[in-house]
Amino acid sequence: GQNIDQPTEMTATEGAIVQINCTYQTSGFNGLFWYQQHAGEAPTFLSYNVLDGLEEKGRFSSFLSRSKGYSYLLLKELQMKDSASYLCAVRVSGGYNKLIFGAGTRLAVHP
Amino acid sequence: DTGVSQNPRHKITKRGQNVTFRCDPISEHNRLYWYRQTLGQGPEFLTYFQNEAQLEKSRLLSDRFSAERPKGSFSTLEIQRTEQGDSAMYLCASSTQDSSGNTIYFGEGSWLTVV
Repeated sequence: GQNIDQPTEMTATEGAIVQINCTYQTSGFNGLFWYQQHAGEAPTFLSYNVLDGLEEKGRFSSFLSRSKGYSYLLLKELQMKDSASYLCAVRVSGGYNKLIFGAGTRLAVHP
Repeated sequence: DTGVSQNPRHKITKRGQNVTFRCDPISEHNRLYWYRQTLGQGPEFLTYFQNEAQLEKSRLLSDRFSAERPKGSFSTLEIQRTEQGDSAMYLCASSTQDSSGNTIYFGEGSWLTVV
């Protein structure tokens, strides 16, 4: 079966740092994605990890440990516009981009 | 606009009616995907096309659902005899042939409400 777990909701303060965790158990693994989704809008790509370690991209970083089935998304210098859902997704097929998504983590950033 | 385009963006229909959604992928993308998303959940994979060939269908895609990509460009998703449980956002995405991680792009989605 396919199982991707992430916290349902998180809150944080503007200017702070927040870490959103994701654990997965899937029948295959060929990379892990993080997407941002504002209410009523399409998911937009944030980051991609296929090897263990940290990928940094401006205010966003993502970490992967394949042996632990674990990833996290780190958001620094939080801004109000970062209030959104953050989706963790695993690419389970090496042949194409079939993604299995978690339910998403709703992040609320407060002043 | 050179992104993935979907229409209609919103559709309200009565139970039992048929609806069709269209997706125009990014022009050079030969791979096209349909996902469904309900409130509070992540997107769920429905089906995948490579060019005009439908190579995978999820068990979520019942007999009432059919997807086509007749010329390997745009795609349609038809739902026959709609049910209230079909109410969701239907997302289309496209990507290139390579396995690079960040080349899958989602459209804005088509919201379906069945009343």
